[in-house]
Amino acid sequence: RKEVEQDPGPFNVPEGATVAFNCTYSNSASQSFFWYRQDCRKEPKLLMSVYSSGNEDGRFTAQLNRASQYISLLIRDSKLSDSATYLCVVNWGGGNKLTFGTGTQLKVEL
Amino acid sequence: NAGVTQTPKFQVLKTGQSMTLQCAQDMNHEYMSWYRQDPGMGLRLIHYSVGAGITDQGEVPNGYNVSRSTTEDFPLRLLSAAPSQTSVYFCASRQGTYGYTFGSGTRLTVV
Repeated sequence: RKEVEQDPGPFNVPEGATVAFNCTYSNSASQSFFWYRQDCRKEPKLLMSVYSSGNEDGRFTAQLNRASQYISLLIRDSKLSDSATYLCVVNWGGGNKLTFGTGTQLKVEL
Repeated sequence: NAGVTQTPKFQVLKTGQSMTLQCAQDMNHEYMSWYRQDPGMGLRLIHYSVGAGITDQGEVPNGYNVSRSTTEDFPLRLLSAAPSQTSVYFCASRQGTYGYTFGSGTRLTVV
């Protein structure tokens, strides 16, 4: 079993739709969680951290469920510019032990 | 601030050659790491550093060396390039518990 698992997609959605991605992780000792966005042939960029109480940043909402060991990302009112690969990232064991999922591809269409 | 700067952006090596990928950050971050990204594999940690003079191995360290003589610089050395090291390499830095800032990557092809 992979340490961090994501549905690779692609998720094809019309502009304005709401879309949600889930990510599961295997290490119950995981300490912190992030969502990154990666555009084609570019570096990953931090989208948002994920907090236990859930957090929102504009159209983006992240949730953490420690009991079931999954995190989620909800994107409301999708824009064409949201088209990208979304990486789930989990941290345990200190500052540098980040494990990346393989990413979920989102395509927002007219 | 330039953030995290990687050079070169592209490189082609012959099997057996050695080279150094450069990484520099101007944010005074403690933590720096090197990742490689291969199709279907996600980013995998090669080596990391928690401060100047301190480095440690990640998930896939074989064939690579690092050093951290200053807070700013964290070069990655390929000792004897192999085709299996064809990949995209990302350097990243962070401070405290914040997320990583990545450089723009080096696309390496070993023939």
